[in-house]
Amino acid sequence: ETGVTQSPTHLIKTRGQQVTLRCSSQSGHNTVSWYQQALGQGPQFIFQYYREEENGRGNFPPRFSGLQFPNYSSELNVNALELDDSALYLCASSRGGLAGRETQYFGPGTRLLVL
Amino acid sequence: QKEVEQDPGPLSVPEGAIVSLNCTYSNSAFQYFMWYRQYSRKGPELLMYTYSSGNKEDGRFTAQVDKSSKYISLFIRDSQPSDSATYLCGQNRDDKIIFGKGTRLHILP
Repeated sequence: ETGVTQSPTHLIKTRGQQVTLRCSSQSGHNTVSWYQQALGQGPQFIFQYYREEENGRGNFPPRFSGLQFPNYSSELNVNALELDDSALYLCASSRGGLAGRETQYFGPGTRLLVL
Repeated sequence: QKEVEQDPGPLSVPEGAIVSLNCTYSNSAFQYFMWYRQYSRKGPELLMYTYSSGNKEDGRFTAQVDKSSKYISLFIRDSQPSDSATYLCGQNRDDKIIFGKGTRLHILP
């Protein structure tokens, strides 16, 4: 069984630029969630995709957007990057269908630095 | 009040000791909890999940939920240097996990 993979592993961007991060979900999983983890903090929920539809969003501005593809892989796009967007971005996948009792499995993350 | 609170540590204990990690939560409507272990610069790795009250044991790890006090705990027996990591507690709220800040644990050889 293949685990959750993310690309790239590291990324450096400048303020105002746009970035796309990618995630491949674990085999058999149809739900992908994205989290932002600032240094020294716990992960913060950005949004979730279930069967290609957005299924819940955290307290993040619209410049954070996403997509899920028919193979359940997903992208996170961030426009107009700000210095505070520097963080570890985590993708987690789950089976879907057990509302409130899903176990999420995380990928290794993409570390984004905005200069 | 934060939704899930966790002492960030660091917590240093000698090898072989029993480690107790704790979190409190504010919303009792959601009763699915999990513990993740995160090594430096890595993604969180699921350790255990529990539903509602009681204990759950897996090897050297025991997870405990006390609904009356809104307290969740993780115990690690016979701690090893390889257990040195950040431990994150989380509450599943409609498939959105609310995490604590994480507790940094150091096991001293």
